[in-house]
Amino acid sequence: GAVVSQHPSRVICKSGTSVKIECRSLDFQATTMFWYRQFPKQSLMLMATSNEGSKATYEQGVEKDKFLINHASLTLSTLTVTSAHPEDSSFYICSARDGQIFSPLHFGNGTRLTVT
Amino acid sequence: QQQVKQSPQSLIVQKGGIPIINCAYENTAFDYFPWYQQFPGKGPALLIAIRPDVSEKKEGRFTISFNKSAKQFSLHIMDSQPGDSATYFCAASEGGGYQKVTFGIGTKLQVIP
Repeated sequence: GAVVSQHPSRVICKSGTSVKIECRSLDFQATTMFWYRQFPKQSLMLMATSNEGSKATYEQGVEKDKFLINHASLTLSTLTVTSAHPEDSSFYICSARDGQIFSPLHFGNGTRLTVT
Repeated sequence: QQQVKQSPQSLIVQKGGIPIINCAYENTAFDYFPWYQQFPGKGPALLIAIRPDVSEKKEGRFTISFNKSAKQFSLHIMDSQPGDSATYFCAASEGGGYQKVTFGIGTKLQVIP
């Protein structure tokens, strides 16, 4: 089955620093990748959609200068949380799909970010 | 505005029982309805999906029932097991699944031995 690998699984950083999270599709070409944020016991909140080689499309209320997304290849997307603050602490999950119609989203295992 | 309404938010059943999770939507352009299962600290995993031209789909112990006229769909888990204890999300998307996926609020299921 389709596998999406996300790293790191956990990261702790100090306030003001930047953190990069990687999302890779291991056995398929991900034409579209999505980044979600999930708060404890809550649903998944879509942050942005990225298509390979294009600028990401951010959801309303998501700061594009704070959450930098790069989808440089068909198998790799990165999310960089810049100048992180404690309120950015959350569970970030990437997902990917190939270009076929009705193909499902495949999720990574998420990254638990803690900003101290 | 919650585009996909999911209920209940939590559910406790005994082993062997049949938990049912319900979802409703308003956007008639939705044409793809997946269900995801999420264990704590993990990303969601696709469980089963249905399109509106089908009224029911079964995969193993998991069944989706779909009522297009009522704009409702539900997940049934037959012979539930403690290992099924997880959070379940219904979801919907349009445009052949190419558009973004909208998730329900989630249902935390606990199956007790």
